[in-house]
Amino acid sequence: AQSVTQLDSHVSVSEGTPVLLRCNYSSSYSPSLFWYVQHPNKGLQLLLKYTSAATLVKGINGFEAEFKKSETSFHLTKPSAHMSDAAEYFCVVLNSNSGYALNFGKGTSLLVTP
Amino acid sequence: KAGVTQTPRYLIKTRGQQVTLSCSPISGHRSVSWYQQTPGQGLQFLFEYFSETQRNKGNFPGRFSGRQFSNSRSEMNVSTLELGDSALYLCASSPRTSGVAADTQYFGPGTRLTVL
Repeated sequence: AQSVTQLDSHVSVSEGTPVLLRCNYSSSYSPSLFWYVQHPNKGLQLLLKYTSAATLVKGINGFEAEFKKSETSFHLTKPSAHMSDAAEYFCVVLNSNSGYALNFGKGTSLLVTP
Repeated sequence: KAGVTQTPRYLIKTRGQQVTLSCSPISGHRSVSWYQQTPGQGLQFLFEYFSETQRNKGNFPGRFSGRQFSNSRSEMNVSTLELGDSALYLCASSPRTSGVAADTQYFGPGTRLTVL
């Protein structure tokens, strides 16, 4: 089954500095990968989605992610962090062995300091 | 378009009771999936409904069940509640049609269930 591993449970950055949230995936073929964000006491919001059309995927709010097959990675980046980016971020893979079930990583909590 | 809506937003129940949660998908979306989110286990897939049929099921006991109506609205039921069922239950809708590959799931705000 497809799975993802988020390499950091917590990341802290200063406002205005770059953000890097790391995710590795495990899949026997080209997976469908997503990044979702969850603000406190809110549901999940889709940031971006990779489905093999392009390796560099641009999402909302200035986020982007690059699919690297050789490294089995799908890291999320943003050039300049904003206070409002503080949230929990989930790397997600579609588990094609189970229809439309999504397999979530454990999440990375992003803290943005002034 | 209106997003995915879930009712109620908060629920408090006692052990042994049962509970029903409701989810209204985005208009035109025919697939509804349910997920459980807990601090210990993270986000786990419960089941998916499409055209009133359960298409997939996660690794949860039979106390967890669901259904989908002809208007695509879905309900999830948990019987004989246990303390460990306390969680945020998230519903997601997708426009997927039968046989089509990956499609995006859009999540509702969730129902926070507390079991005392």
